[in-house]
Amino acid sequence: AQSVAQPEDQVNVAEGNPLTVKCTYSVSGNPYLFWYVQYPNRGLQFLLKYITGDNLVKGSYGFEAEFNKSQTSFHLKKPSALVSDSALYFCAVREYGSGNTGKLIFGQGTTLQVKP
Amino acid sequence: KAGVTQTPRYLIKTRGQQVTLSCSPISGHRSVSWYQQTPGQGLQFLFEYFSETQRNKGNFPGRFSGRQFSNSRSEMNVSTLELGDSALYLCASSLSTSDYNEQFFGPGTRLTVL
Repeated sequence: AQSVAQPEDQVNVAEGNPLTVKCTYSVSGNPYLFWYVQYPNRGLQFLLKYITGDNLVKGSYGFEAEFNKSQTSFHLKKPSALVSDSALYFCAVREYGSGNTGKLIFGQGTTLQVKP
Repeated sequence: KAGVTQTPRYLIKTRGQQVTLSCSPISGHRSVSWYQQTPGQGLQFLFEYFSETQRNKGNFPGRFSGRQFSNSRSEMNVSTLELGDSALYLCASSLSTSDYNEQFFGPGTRLTVL
């Protein structure tokens, strides 16, 4: 079965410092991986995805993520955090060829708090 | 290009009633998926529609149903509402059912069951 784990409920960083939000996944085949962000009372906004190729994926708002197949991880990173980055972040996976069309498996979410 | 729109944004119902939620996907997107978001269970997949056909279904009781129209707009229906159905219901659209396509989410409908 496919699953996603976000081991930290909350991550606190100071503005200007680098941030990392962790994600590990479990699939039996090849994964497609996604990061989304959710602001209060809003839907999810797509940040970036890994399909194939370069393990470092760049996305919106200066975010990037590194795919590590051996560690089955897809951590979200940003070199310099902004207060406006404070939000709820979700990692999601879909297994290539699984037939689970339209279905994303989400982690439980990590709240990012960036303090001025 | 307009994003995914969902109506209504907020709903208050009582137990036993039924409710219909509506979703209009991004223009040109033919796949629509629905998710339920609760503090306890997180984001859970309900179902996906493509070309008016349900392609995939999550582990929800039969009280949860949906449909898609020829213009790709989708509705979901919950009958005989229970307190536990209180949640944020999110609709997402994508170009197709290809595994690598990202989904674009609407703002959600907040359903409160009293």
